[in-house]
Amino acid sequence: DLQMTQSPSSLSASVGDRVTITCRASQHINSPLKWYQQKPGKAPQLLMFGPSSLQSGVPPRFTGRGSGTDFALSISNLQPEDSATYFCQHAKTFGGGTKVEV
Amino acid sequence: DVQLVESGGGVVQPGGSLTLSCAASGFAFDDYTMHWVRQAPGKGLEWVSLITWDGGVTDYADSVRGRFTLSRDNRKNFVYLQMHSLRPEDSALYFCAKDVSPNLGYSLEHWGQGTLVTVSS
Repeated sequence: DLQMTQSPSSLSASVGDRVTITCRASQHINSPLKWYQQKPGKAPQLLMFGPSSLQSGVPPRFTGRGSGTDFALSISNLQPEDSATYFCQHAKTFGGGTKVEV
Repeated sequence: DVQLVESGGGVVQPGGSLTLSCAASGFAFDDYTMHWVRQAPGKGLEWVSLITWDGGVTDYADSVRGRFTLSRDNRKNFVYLQMHSLRPEDSALYFCAKDVSPNLGYSLEHWGQGTLVTVSS
């Protein structure tokens, strides 16, 4: 079964920083990863379903890249509202999540 | 606006049954695949099940296969998750979610706020 390993599990950064979350698949993936943002007490929100498929309203500070088994979500110019837990997803499998504290 | 409203959660004893409902509005319901995803308290997301636009394809996580059944009513704009032989490890907040695709896109574009299921004696 496919496993998605996200790292780090948590991070703390400052306003204006750039952070990168990685997601490693246990086997080769032929399609882009999806990335979600979840704030406490809220449902997850789809950020993107491919490097060029940013959801409406998601600022371009969020960028996704990667292929094969190694993928990453980067957030540049970090803002307080970016504090959340981020999940990667391929098909039926979610990564374990990365809690970002700004 | 797209709205997904889950209901039917509650406390149930191990071995019991529960049916969750998801009422959809604000979009052409019969054009999209629908999913259920669950999240145990303080834990990550676990995909549970999907049903394609016409109900022609359903799929389940191994952890629930044979115990859960997903169906949809495209006239009423509802999806239903029937859960049987419930276990304590099924306790979670259950989210209904809309795909961007009528088929197996697995891009969960809109989510409800969830309904809480607690399996406990």
